[in-house]
Amino acid sequence: DGGITQSPKYLFRKEGQNVTLSCEQNLNHDAMYWYRQDPGQGLRLIYYSQIVNDFQKGDIAEGYSVSREKKESFPLTVTSAQKNPTAFYLCASSLLGVGVPGYTFGSGTRLTVV
Amino acid sequence: AQKVTQAQTEISVVEKEDVTLDCVYETRDTTYYLFWYKQPPSGELVFLIRRNSFDEQNEISGRYSWNFQKSTSSFNFTITASQVVDSAVYFCALSGGTSYGKLTFGQGTILTVHP
Repeated sequence: DGGITQSPKYLFRKEGQNVTLSCEQNLNHDAMYWYRQDPGQGLRLIYYSQIVNDFQKGDIAEGYSVSREKKESFPLTVTSAQKNPTAFYLCASSLLGVGVPGYTFGSGTRLTVV
Repeated sequence: AQKVTQAQTEISVVEKEDVTLDCVYETRDTTYYLFWYKQPPSGELVFLIRRNSFDEQNEISGRYSWNFQKSTSSFNFTITASQVVDSAVYFCALSGGTSYGKLTFGQGTILTVHP
């Protein structure tokens, strides 16, 4: 079955460490997105990519980095510069250039700083 | 810039009550899409509905119904005869023509249905 796989489901990070969250899709979707969810703030866009080897900052990109070396993969690195990384992270993908947009979401990674 | 506002942070009802979740949006795009998602405790987002800006017909799907009013920039969601399984966080979201591909979410409404 086609879908998005996020791993790990739970991740613990020590202060000062970088961690990478994995996001893989087998839907042949062009675009991929990373969202951060905090209680009471909805989902906020961190980064997005519409094509391989290209990506753009979203609303809260500071302290994060991404890469898009393959169409199927869009890993997110939470760097030590991110002051408050504890949150729920959701990856999504969509087709582009079609009439009606549709999005597929992963099951999320819950990151906790210890 | 696009913006989605869900005025109700939390709603608590008793089973079988009807409940309406409000959503107001802002966009300069003439072509845009509105969405509702449900997020159960597991965290995954469950797609409920998508509506484009040119289609103001209300929609009903079982106990769920949606009221889209362009004149007031609102896209409200009603659950009729609520059930405990409806307890979740509900998000309204917007994808516009000039930001095509990016979803802007509201803050979410936590719905708790008590037996």
